[in-house]
Amino acid sequence: GNSVTQMEGPVTLSEEAFLTINCTYTATGYPSLFWYVQYPGEGLQLLLKATKADDKGSNKGFEATYRKETTSFHLEKGSVQVSDSAVYFCALQTGANNLFFGTGTRLTVIP
Amino acid sequence: GAVVSQHPSWVICKSGTSVKIECRSLDFQATTMFWYRQFPKQSLMLMATSNEGSKATYEQGVEKDKFLINHASLTLSTLTVTSAHPEDSSFYICSANDRDRHSYNEQFFGPGTRLTVL
Repeated sequence: GNSVTQMEGPVTLSEEAFLTINCTYTATGYPSLFWYVQYPGEGLQLLLKATKADDKGSNKGFEATYRKETTSFHLEKGSVQVSDSAVYFCALQTGANNLFFGTGTRLTVIP
Repeated sequence: GAVVSQHPSWVICKSGTSVKIECRSLDFQATTMFWYRQFPKQSLMLMATSNEGSKATYEQGVEKDKFLINHASLTLSTLTVTSAHPEDSSFYICSANDRDRHSYNEQFFGPGTRLTVL
């Protein structure tokens, strides 16, 4: 079956610290992989994506590389800001529409 | 662009009553809308997929008679929780596909509706 496992939070970091949020997946076939972010009071927004092995998705200083050999898609950012405080969801998509989400990781960045 | 709204953002109701949640695509036409449910500290779980003008497709284990979905137009889908019970209390999130964006069926999400059944 299809599933996503991501590290449990909450994660609290100081501003300018390095961020890693781990995500591993199980899927049938060749899924596309996503990171979504949910800021307080808002809907989920697509942060970045990768559609095939070894692709690197990047946006707003965040990066994640599709690693088929380790079935992983870890999210990283070299220097977090207070404005990055949000809940981050890893997800995979198979077929036309079906999205499977991880449980979400809450990140709090303190000044 | 690609904004999705939900109404209400939160609702409290008595057990046995029905509650309707609206999902609207504000600046695009949505071929397909999706309804998810999220329990505390758990994943978003897809409940059903609805296409404009046709019946919704429900995921396994989701009661179609309890969670009525209507997708009457390209900008509106509604989820009605009928005869709600405390175990239906949850966070309900909708999303929509923009049919003019063909790349990979990106879904645009609403802010969610928190339902509490007393």
